[in-house]
Order: sequence, then C-alpha cells, then structure tokens
Amino acid sequence: GAGVSQSPRYKVAKRGQDVALRCDPISGHVSLFWYQQALGQGPEFLTYFQNEAQLDKSGLPSDRFFAERPEGSVSTLKIQRTQQEDSAVYLCASSLFGRDRDLGKPQHFGDGTRLSIL
Amino acid sequence: AQSVSQHNHHVILSEAASLELGCNYSYGGTVNLFWYVQYPGQHLQLLLKYFSGDPLVKGIKGFEAEFIKSKFSFNLRKPSVQWSDTAEYFCAVSSTGNQFYFGTGTSLTVIP
Repeated sequence: GAGVSQSPRYKVAKRGQDVALRCDPISGHVSLFWYQQALGQGPEFLTYFQNEAQLDKSGLPSDRFFAERPEGSVSTLKIQRTQQEDSAVYLCASSLFGRDRDLGKPQHFGDGTRLSIL
Repeated sequence: AQSVSQHNHHVILSEAASLELGCNYSYGGTVNLFWYVQYPGQHLQLLLKYFSGDPLVKGIKGFEAEFIKSKFSFNLRKPSVQWSDTAEYFCAVSSTGNQFYFGTGTSLTVIP
C-alpha cells in the first residue's frame, strides 16, 4: 500500500544489545517523525526530520538513541545498549510538507514496532 | 512544553448512546488540534482536525469536535455510537515546529 511502513513489527532484544528500527514514509513526504508510546500512554515525540535534516531531537531520552534519514526518505532509529525502560512501541509518522508550510499538517502513522527488552 | 489532558481513561457505552470525550491543552498561543483513533491492531488514523475558522469541526464516521478557546478544550462528540467505534482515541495538539503533543488516550468500549 501507500502508507507508512515500519519494520520489524516486533523486536525482542536482551538488555545491552543494540537495535535498529526502520521507517519507510509515504513517498514524497518531506517531514518524518519518531514517537515512543509506552503501555497505557499516548505517543511521545522523539525526533523530527525535514528531508534529510534532523531539525529537532529534543525528545530523544538519552544519547543511546540515534536517528538518521540520510537520503531524505527511509529513516532508522537506533538504540544502543538497550535498557528495560526502552520497551515500548516506536511509531513513525510522515507528513507532506515541511514545518515552514502549513504547521501542524496531519501526520500519517505507521503500525509501529513493538520493542521488548528482556 | 505543552500538555494535553484526556480525563476519561476508559469509557463503556451501549450502542446508540451519545459520546463525549474531553480534551484540554495547556498552550495559550495559536494551536492546531487533532483527534486520532486507533482501532484494535491498526495504526493511528486521523478522525478530524481544527486549524482555524468554524470552531465546530466535523470529521469522519459521524464524529465532531468543538474548539472552545476560552476553555482550552477540544472535546470529541458523537450522537450515537456503534460497536465498530470501539477503539482508543487520542487528542493531539501542535503549535510551532510541527511537534505534536498527544494525550494519554481514552479507551472506548461499545457494547452491542
């Protein structure tokens, strides 16, 4: 389909391992967002890309979290030395325009990656 | 940072009952307001949005929401719910920088 695609859908890792989560946004979408959704909570902002530029990473909880979007399309969220508190659903969303146009344009969400740290 | 409050965490209704879910936000400037729905096993989908103009916004599937600036509220309503409305509902607010702030969500269960 033409929606936002995330992989893997489920990831189980042992504490201390590194993980990489992938997001394929809707083709042509300028903006890309990562969110973390803990059980029973709403999504919380992690980071924002406009094309390949990471314009806001204020929501990343620690320096163990790293995100990139080198060619302005696919994005990867990497978590190093995972901890149990990293267990959550990680959501990716994209929207058509950058933040200089139509602020707050609706975002299209992927199904998320459910990360469980043992 | 903004905060978004959804006071109803779990709501259980019978079919045909009326629905109102509360949403309050903390930001005093210009905001854009959204309601998203997440059906079981599916991704977040946009129900409706408010950017400007008429504060009464109509969305998909018979939902509507009213922006009351003086109360910092954007409550979601539906006059008659259906079993298929069973889902998690999230209110979201954005102001500058395209950053969205979500509420903690309201779980709605509609009993046939």
